[in-house]
Amino acid sequence: QQQVKQSPQSLIVQKGGISIINCAYENTAFDYFPWYQQFPGKGPALLIAIRPDVSEKKEGRFTISFNKSAKQFSLHIMDSQPGDSATYFCAASPAGGTSYGKLTFGQGTILTVHP
Amino acid sequence: DTGVSQDPRHKITKRGQNVTFRCDPISEHNRLYWYRQTLGQGPEFLTYFQNEAQLEKSRLLSDRFSAERPKGSFSTLEIQRTEQGDSAMYLCASSLEGSGYTFGSGTRLTVV
Repeated sequence: QQQVKQSPQSLIVQKGGISIINCAYENTAFDYFPWYQQFPGKGPALLIAIRPDVSEKKEGRFTISFNKSAKQFSLHIMDSQPGDSATYFCAASPAGGTSYGKLTFGQGTILTVHP
Repeated sequence: DTGVSQDPRHKITKRGQNVTFRCDPISEHNRLYWYRQTLGQGPEFLTYFQNEAQLEKSRLLSDRFSAERPKGSFSTLEIQRTEQGDSAMYLCASSLEGSGYTFGSGTRLTVV
């Protein structure tokens, strides 16, 4: 019940295209859903996050879509650039209790954007 | 403040040796987390502190692992009697309660 399942494992898009990464969760106690970007040799960096009271959040070229009833959320990267080539992780954490703030990560998606 | 700092960046040790890693969080952050990341996988939670109190430990954190955060500032993660399966990237992150994490660049441990 603690898992977050992420797909696809890898994704190749052309410059200017749209990259879409999907995640699904089972634990209904999760109420914070961030996306992280990780470059080789670096720690993950927070890109954008959403809470279940909204269905969509947009920051620049990055958009999270959230479907509470389906327990799914996705990251859309518009106008993908070669500099976006990295590994992307979705994550989730519960609202409260001792596990508040403890993130469960997906398996990661390696994104390659060709020029 | 330049972010979360981890030391060393890389550590190669022989099986059976003890190793200790250090994490310096962002100074005003009261929460500090340790995660482990193996190649091709997402980070896995190990433990976290709120100020100096260790509030939760994962079952991944065997009795060979110990973490401390004296005075609620920096933290150390010690692995005793290292095994080859301990080879991984050890990530530290900090946050203010209710806000997103800032991760450090990690310590890559190789056990030979």
